[in-house]
Amino acid sequence: GENVEQHPSTLSVQEGDSAVIKCTYSDSASNYFPWYKQELGKGPQLIIDIRSNVGEKKDQRIAVTLNKTAKHFSLHITETQPEDSAVYFCAAEGAGGTSYGKLTFGQGTILTVHP
Amino acid sequence: DTGVSQNPRHKITKRGQNVTFRCDPISEHNRLYWYRQTLGQGPEFLTYFQNEAQLEKSRLLSDRFSAERPKGSFSTLEIQRTEQGDSAMYLCASSLGQGDTQYFGPGTRLTVL
Repeated sequence: GENVEQHPSTLSVQEGDSAVIKCTYSDSASNYFPWYKQELGKGPQLIIDIRSNVGEKKDQRIAVTLNKTAKHFSLHITETQPEDSAVYFCAAEGAGGTSYGKLTFGQGTILTVHP
Repeated sequence: DTGVSQNPRHKITKRGQNVTFRCDPISEHNRLYWYRQTLGQGPEFLTYFQNEAQLEKSRLLSDRFSAERPKGSFSTLEIQRTEQGDSAMYLCASSLGQGDTQYFGPGTRLTVL
């Protein structure tokens, strides 16, 4: 089955700096890659996603890049703010048969933005 | 609020007891997923439904776990004879259809004493 590795596990930045989180996946058939933000005591909230037919997607301060050949994708947050502090998860969607739609998550990155 | 809702939000039970959780998906979402999340880890897939049909179950879902979605709307997840290892956050998500964005509920935190 799919395996998703996420790095780093913790990331500490100063307000205004950029933050980058990287993920690799194992199933070359996967074609959908969402990123979720999870705050303490809450469920994961989708912040951005990308499908395999594009290499980059941007939404204000957040961008995601995808390299299908290397099987890795990254989250970029620019001009970080203290409210960006949370746990971030990458995920890859299974492809084929009944696995289509099943998400495999990375281990998470604890992002801390210091004022 | 038209998002995914889950009840209860917290459940404390003694080992050996049965517990049942409920998930109400976003209206008209055909797919409903259950995940389990332990401390410091990402969510792990348990099972999912397309309307009322349960299409896949993870090996994580032992015989003590059962899920239903009888009318293709809300779903229940039951754990029988709970064990301390069942302590986790149980998350529900729904999507419009196959390959669409999954929206998560707030989760039910289970503590087994």
